[in-house]
Amino acid sequence: KNEVEQSPQNLTAQEGEFITINCSYSVGISALHWLQQHPGGGIVSLFMLSSGKKKHGRLIATINIQEKHSSLHITASHPRDSAVYICAVRWGNNNDMRFGAGTRLTVKP
Amino acid sequence: KAGVTQTPRYLIKTRGQQVTLSCSPISGHRSVSWYQQTPGQGLQFLFEYFSETQRNKGNFPGRFSGRQFSNSRSEMNVSTLELGDSALYLCASSLWGQSNGYTFGSGTRLTVV
Repeated sequence: KNEVEQSPQNLTAQEGEFITINCSYSVGISALHWLQQHPGGGIVSLFMLSSGKKKHGRLIATINIQEKHSSLHITASHPRDSAVYICAVRWGNNNDMRFGAGTRLTVKP
Repeated sequence: KAGVTQTPRYLIKTRGQQVTLSCSPISGHRSVSWYQQTPGQGLQFLFEYFSETQRNKGNFPGRFSGRQFSNSRSEMNVSTLELGDSALYLCASSLWGQSNGYTFGSGTRLTVV
């Protein structure tokens, strides 16, 4: 079983819709990251969280440490938000980093 | 301000050869981490360097190694290449490691034939 599980795997939305991507993890962590990867491979670090909630523009990330769960929300989605969104956690004495399999988001105009 | 620069962008090597990839972090960033991305395994963490010292290491064989220089530039080396090493290799830099967000490079796409 992967230590980091994301859902859904694929998500198609209409422009303007509110999007939620979920990430659950099974180990104690020191930090959780949300990454965005566009076609061609470029990765952008969106958020790094260890508690609470962060907001940047139309993106909001929350984390519940007790429930070992994080969500990434996109308000007023736009076709340019189409990308793969990846959750990653740092854990363990070695500060190993483990990644979810990603959620492929397609926003249609 | 220049981003994270990885060279080369594309590379084709033969099984058994070795390869060295380079990563120049954002000016002032002292931490560099490396990742491997394949269609089958997704993203996996290779190692992280800070101030020329390896701070963290993922679960990869000893054929994968790296180093960081005094100017924070980093190289990773893969010896005795195998077909399964074909992947996109990404590096990321940050100010001082895991407590900050990361900036990723565009990656080096390695193909082993």
